[in-house]
Amino acid sequence: DTEVTQTPKHLVMGMTNKKSLKCEQHMGHRAMYWYKQKAKKPPELMFVYSYEKLSINESVPSRFSPECPNSSLLNLHLHALQPEDSALYLCASSHLAGGSYNEQFFGPGTRLTVL
Amino acid sequence: SQQGEEDPQALSIQEGENATMNCSYKTSINNLQWYRQNSGRGLVHLILIRSNEREKHSGRLRVTLDTSKKSSSLLITASRAADTASYFCATDGGAGGTSYGKLTFGQGTILTVHP
Repeated sequence: DTEVTQTPKHLVMGMTNKKSLKCEQHMGHRAMYWYKQKAKKPPELMFVYSYEKLSINESVPSRFSPECPNSSLLNLHLHALQPEDSALYLCASSHLAGGSYNEQFFGPGTRLTVL
Repeated sequence: SQQGEEDPQALSIQEGENATMNCSYKTSINNLQWYRQNSGRGLVHLILIRSNEREKHSGRLRVTLDTSKKSSSLLITASRAADTASYFCATDGGAGGTSYGKLTFGQGTILTVHP
């Protein structure tokens, strides 16, 4: 299985809602990532988990809360978002060996709209 | 901030022609990767070239890396309509062979291949 799955595909939420994005991979990858991509822009890294521990947080606002319950799952909890947070949220995973990160496999993304 | 600058921003060619995209970056890297993205969906990894490599091939793809000029190029030979997509270079920063899994993407090149 060489696929990264993300649910939901689309999400519309109000600024007072709490929602979660989910990501799953069964490739045995021990590094997982969240990216944010605005229209016509490149992806921007948000978080990196290495061996289920948060290793990089790119100064992301606290209204985004990542969680890695196990080596196959990655969640992004959303609370009190702003309309400018509307974007495509991409999850990725990669093999991690001897501290070396390799090419990343991306999921199809969740298109988030904040009203 | 985005490390990579790509040119051209857009490229339009006929099927069968070759397409060349360039990427420049600012800081030292562990490796440089190229990804393709179709219509705002997930990214697909194309090729990874490490800082001690100068050229790499994969099928119709040829990537070069010049660390002295901090630049890379992606050549797609004998292009097909199915190659129509956005292409991004991404640098994995970390001098001395250290990789942190932190990819910084360039602005991307939109390639259109006309049948």
